[in-house]
Amino acid sequence: DVKVTQSSRYLVKRTGEKVFLECVQDMDHENMFWYRQDPGLGLRLIYFSYDVKMKEKGDIPEGYSVSREKKERFSLILESASTNQTSMYLCATDTGGGGELFFGEGSRLTVL
Amino acid sequence: DQQVKQNSPSLSVQEGRISILNCDYTNSMFDYFLWYKKYPAEGPTFLISISSIKDKNEDGRFTVFLNKSAKHLSLHIVPSQPGDSAVYFCAASAIGNQFYFGTGTSLTVIP
Repeated sequence: DVKVTQSSRYLVKRTGEKVFLECVQDMDHENMFWYRQDPGLGLRLIYFSYDVKMKEKGDIPEGYSVSREKKERFSLILESASTNQTSMYLCATDTGGGGELFFGEGSRLTVL
Repeated sequence: DQQVKQNSPSLSVQEGRISILNCDYTNSMFDYFLWYKKYPAEGPTFLISISSIKDKNEDGRFTVFLNKSAKHLSLHIVPSQPGDSAVYFCAASAIGNQFYFGTGTSLTVIP
């Protein structure tokens, strides 16, 4: 079974703080993704990566950056957290050959 | 602009009856579709998929129907069980490209 592990299930941060959300997968998948889920808006793609040190912007990259130094690890960074970044953040992977996305448990971030 | 739409935010169904969740898309290039189930405070879990070469795919109690001309797909759950109560998301992609998700439908199965 594919395992996608997100380092923090729940975080509370203050406006202006730097936030790191980490994601690790154990299946040697090429592709990794960061989504955020908000009520009434569904899942929206923030950034994705097809390979180590490679990143592509998704639909809502503003206010976020990412890092992929190793194939199994994909980090989402909020350089200066704002209240409108309060959300559920979901990491996902896929094999790159066409098929479903495998999601982590999610990280619920609250920015005060 | 939302390329994948789930126009019903919520649905209530009696246990044992059929649940039908609907999804519409606008991009005719989409050729692969997924349904996910999500419980609160958990990540989405994959339910069933369908590619555009098919118009139906079944897996146990779950069946997905695809109507390409109408750009519409639906998920049927028969019989519905209380444990099916969750938010259901449909997703669509053109193979090799990103998935676009709908806004979700919250299903409540009443015992």
